[in-house]
Amino acid sequence: GEDVEQSLFLSVREGDSSVINCTYTDSSSTYLYWYKQEPGAGLQLLTYIFSNMDMKQDQRLTVLLNKKDKHLSLRIADTQTGDSAIYFCAHFSGQTGANNLFFGTGTRLTVIP
Amino acid sequence: DAGVIQSPRHEVTEMGQEVTLRCKPISGHNSLFWYRQTMMRGLELLIYFNNNVPIDDSGMPEDRFSAKMPNASFSTLKIQPSEPRDSAVYFCASSLRGWETQYFGPGTRLLVL
Repeated sequence: GEDVEQSLFLSVREGDSSVINCTYTDSSSTYLYWYKQEPGAGLQLLTYIFSNMDMKQDQRLTVLLNKKDKHLSLRIADTQTGDSAIYFCAHFSGQTGANNLFFGTGTRLTVIP
Repeated sequence: DAGVIQSPRHEVTEMGQEVTLRCKPISGHNSLFWYRQTMMRGLELLIYFNNNVPIDDSGMPEDRFSAKMPNASFSTLKIQPSEPRDSAVYFCASSLRGWETQYFGPGTRLLVL
């Protein structure tokens, strides 16, 4: 239940939409999260989704979950320079004896003015 | 709420010295987590407390690492003796209950020379 994969880099122009993708292997995942980490700072929870949902929208953020394909995405509308950061996908695996929150490697989003 | 508080924010020490990292979780949260972040290994869970009791310390690298939570508002992570390979950013996170949504502190950046 530990494999969480993300692409390492993404560049977008200011005002465009950003889509950050994540795949995971553990079908028992119950919670899936997106965290944002700005340079020199800790992880900030952006949003989360329960595994029985397929979409969640929160202002400029849209999370899509394809449970069949074990694919999670984060779409940021009207991307701003302040959105430049590393975005981590994480899932909680509730398997007995293996409870853990597994993080992806992070996607570095660069917003070009 | 001040969020999760960690101290110090930066620590530089020499190999062999004892290092103590401190964390104050969000008031009312009963679960606390220590993570380590490195470029090579990403985010790794070190130890997890629930109601001040260590539940899972399988991520603690070796006996040089120890963690305590003497009360609901304070936890320490100690490394003795420290080694250069311990250099990393150490994050503390807390949650209201168990593996529910975790809130991260700003991290302690440790450099062992």
